[in-house]
Amino acid sequence: EVQLVQSGAEVKKPGESLKISCKGSGYRFNSYWIAWVRQMPGKGLEWVGIIYPGDSDSRYSPSFQGHVTISVDRSSSTAYLQWSSLKASDTAMYYCARRLAGYVYGGDYWGLGTLVTVSS
Amino acid sequence: SYELTQPPSVSVFPGQTARITCSGDALPKQYAYWYQQKPGQAPVLVIFKDTERPSGIPERFSGSSSGKIVTLTIGGVQAEDEADYYCQSVDSSTAWLFGGGTKLTVL
Repeated sequence: EVQLVQSGAEVKKPGESLKISCKGSGYRFNSYWIAWVRQMPGKGLEWVGIIYPGDSDSRYSPSFQGHVTISVDRSSSTAYLQWSSLKASDTAMYYCARRLAGYVYGGDYWGLGTLVTVSS
Repeated sequence: SYELTQPPSVSVFPGQTARITCSGDALPKQYAYWYQQKPGQAPVLVIFKDTERPSGIPERFSGSSSGKIVTLTIGGVQAEDEADYYCQSVDSSTAWLFGGGTKLTVL
């Protein structure tokens, strides 16, 4: 059974750093892109970026480029989303999703989300 | 830049057919995907590649495409279908695009 298990909720202060995780199981982790999606409170879905675990090739939305970093640890089948300096506006639910195989660009399996709260 | 536009809300009575549209310049060239999101839950893929249904998704969910508009159709709507629905596609660099979401209310 394919599963994406995300790390638990986080409460941080502005300016702090944070790294959240998404652990894949039940499939060949290195062969499927993993995307990150933000959902701010009461708002819609926004694509943050994506990474291919096989070679760590990553792409970012222009809206998030330079503010977040997506990485992967193949040895533990885990993808990460990290911030070096959080802002209050980073408060949101963050989902990871496995991209469908081939030249198909939707997410077929999603994690349950990690709630990030940034408040002084 | 590419954008996807959805109506904010659609309302139907149980048993009726709900149609949710999504329009955008990217859609004639790229497939569309539809997600259902219920309150407090993660999104669930209900349609991929415009018209295909993942295993486990009820047959009452279907998708269609015509030019710049794709449509999610839910036939014989049930109370459990009340949710937010998002369309998604990609731009020319394969960056994901999401529509603003449509709240489906079952009256």
